[in-house]
Amino acid sequence: AQTVTQSQPEMSVQEAETVTLSCTYDTSESDYYLFWYKQPPSRQMILVIRQEAYKQQNATENRFSVNFQKAAKSFSLKISDSQLGDAAMYFCAYIRGNLIFGKGTKLSVKP
Amino acid sequence: DTEVTQTPKHLVMGMTNKKSLKCEQHMGHRAMYWYKQKAKKPPELMFVYSYEKLSINESVPSRFSPECPNSSLLNLHLHALQPEDSALYLCASSQSGLAGFEQYFGPGTRLTVT
Repeated sequence: AQTVTQSQPEMSVQEAETVTLSCTYDTSESDYYLFWYKQPPSRQMILVIRQEAYKQQNATENRFSVNFQKAAKSFSLKISDSQLGDAAMYFCAYIRGNLIFGKGTKLSVKP
Repeated sequence: DTEVTQTPKHLVMGMTNKKSLKCEQHMGHRAMYWYKQKAKKPPELMFVYSYEKLSINESVPSRFSPECPNSSLLNLHLHALQPEDSALYLCASSQSGLAGFEQYFGPGTRLTVT
C-alpha cells in the first residue's frame, strides 16, 4: 500500500527566509504524481505545486520549488522569501488512483 | 475559473435531523469527491463520482448518502448522524478520475452534530 510521511508536524520560519518541508512516500509504482497542497486557517485547500514522477526536472512555481528524489522516494518543498501569507498547514500527497495525503506540516511565519 | 463552491458554510444539526450538503463546479470536470476532515488531520476520502456514477465508496456508514444529479453538482445527504461525525466536509473535483489530474477543493462545510 502507498503511504506518505511528513516527519515535521510543525515548522517555523522568519519572514523573508527560506524553509524546506520534508515528505517521503512509499510505492512500488513507477508512474505516479505528487502534489503539495496548502490549507490556510481559512481552510480552503489550495494546490501549490505538482510533480510527475517520470520527469526528472524539479517543478517550480514562483517562490515554491520541490526537490524530487525518485530513488529515495523523497519530495520536499522549498519556500523561498517566506511571507506571512504562507502560514498554513501543508500536505504532501501522492496519487496513482486515489489521492493519499501525509499527516501535514503546520508552518508558522514570524514577522 | 477554478472554483468549487460548497453550501452551507456552517451547519448545526441534531442527531434526528435530515440535512444535505451541496457542491458545485463549472470547470467541466468529470470526477467529484467528498472528503471528511477532522481538526489537524488530513482529509479522508469518502466517495468518488466519475462521469456521474459512484465509483468509490470508502466503507462510509449509510447515514451518509451521496448523490450526483448532473456533472456539475454533488450532494451529500445526512441522516441520523452521530456527534463523532462533526467535521469539515470538503468537496473536490478533477478533470478526470484518472491519476495525474489535480483535485480542486471547495472551502468546505463545517458540520456540528449535537
